[in-house]
Amino acid sequence: GQQLNQSPQSMFIQEGEDVSMNCTSSSIFNTWLWYKQDPGEGPVLLIALYKAGELTSNGRLTAQFGITRKDSFLNISASIPSDVGIYFCAGQNTGNQFYFGTGTSLTVIP
Amino acid sequence: SAVISQKPSRDICQRGTSLTIQCQVDSQVTMMFWYRQQPGQSLTLIATANQGSEATYESGFVIDKFPISRPNLTFSTLTVSNMSPEDSSIYLCSVERWAGPGETQYFGPGTRLLVL
Repeated sequence: GQQLNQSPQSMFIQEGEDVSMNCTSSSIFNTWLWYKQDPGEGPVLLIALYKAGELTSNGRLTAQFGITRKDSFLNISASIPSDVGIYFCAGQNTGNQFYFGTGTSLTVIP
Repeated sequence: SAVISQKPSRDICQRGTSLTIQCQVDSQVTMMFWYRQQPGQSLTLIATANQGSEATYESGFVIDKFPISRPNLTFSTLTVSNMSPEDSSIYLCSVERWAGPGETQYFGPGTRLLVL
């Protein structure tokens, strides 16, 4: 199935720094979701976006639904050690099928 | 949101054997999904399980290898048959929920399978 292009593939940052990652697709999506997966766990939903241009926050996390409906961005401000994990984007197309990004592995150095 | 549990949480199996993974949801849902996540990889949809009908499999996955049951609106099982080391993965079930403006997908904690 289709996979979304997610970048960067991995990030190593200092505690307190801000983080940005993005997800792009060649197709239009109606919904963008962002997940975090800790080792040995299932993905946990962070933010859901349903409208082009929408900007939604969840604590230190902010995500945006790209105006072209082909991309989405996730920002984490003032990172802390517990932000470590793998972040996945997911998009739902007009056929109501979900596709997942390739993941961004985040390491926060105390 | 949705509360989803999976059993077993992990298992180590011998090649040639089969393992059945259970998924229980805290409320009724129409569609349940089974995903595979190979080490260091993203999620790959195996099949969609609808109650009262046969599961719909994605390209590359077949019913003989991954039989699925969906006896009611809160429960599903995935069997990994005649296992080989290549089947070592995390297996995840998920459900869709209407969240107002659109749909959201929630995942269970996963079953980590190691095939020797």
